[in-house]
Amino acid sequence: QSALTQPPSASGSPGQSVTISCTGTSSDIGAYNYVSWYHQHPGKAPKLLIYEVSKRPSGVPDRFSGSKSGNTASLTVSGLQAEDEADYHCSSYAGRNAVSNILFGGGTRLTVL
Amino acid sequence: EVQLVESGGGLVKPGESLRLSCAASGFSFSSYSMNWVRQAPGKGLEWVASISGSSTYIWYADSVKGRFTISRDNAKNSLYLQMSSLRVEDTAVYYCARGSSSAYSDYWGQGALVTVSS
Repeated sequence: QSALTQPPSASGSPGQSVTISCTGTSSDIGAYNYVSWYHQHPGKAPKLLIYEVSKRPSGVPDRFSGSKSGNTASLTVSGLQAEDEADYHCSSYAGRNAVSNILFGGGTRLTVL
Repeated sequence: EVQLVESGGGLVKPGESLRLSCAASGFSFSSYSMNWVRQAPGKGLEWVASISGSSTYIWYADSVKGRFTISRDNAKNSLYLQMSSLRVEDTAVYYCARGSSSAYSDYWGQGALVTVSS
């Protein structure tokens, strides 16, 4: 069982918006603004989409946005495109004294219908 | 261009050891913390270990503490993961990733497959 909880699957049609949730606790997501999101195409390495809850690295389209409320972080993908079909992983810092300093969710498979 | 290239993966028996390497290029290696993250077949990502730029600070996940050792050689722009007493559950693709002060990894290698099986 992963430390952060994500839905196993999500889907949407091209052009629609989809939001993926990531639920942690008051010791990780709720305690730090160090939430990041990655997507991963089959057989490929993860790629950073969002860091520090809502910041986008250069080159990442503004169709990808992140937010946080309490112990839950969210990633919204707007204007869905076929190439957005991938696995999406959330991550959070959990502190130096945690069992794991950095936590990941179990991943969400996004299907573009 | 930032590049991270892992090597050293393979098939080993339970209880055996293996050393992974990660060759870094395209950035000032000593200025960045580095991470190892693994992904078991069909599973999510799992953080394994991190090391600061000067090797002053090192952290491990409890699942590997005492069995794995992360290290780096800044003169060779290389990151290492020495894995001992390997278990079947250590089977995974191991990724080398460039770290940050905000706990995210902005560049990842292509991964090295480690299979532990009798």
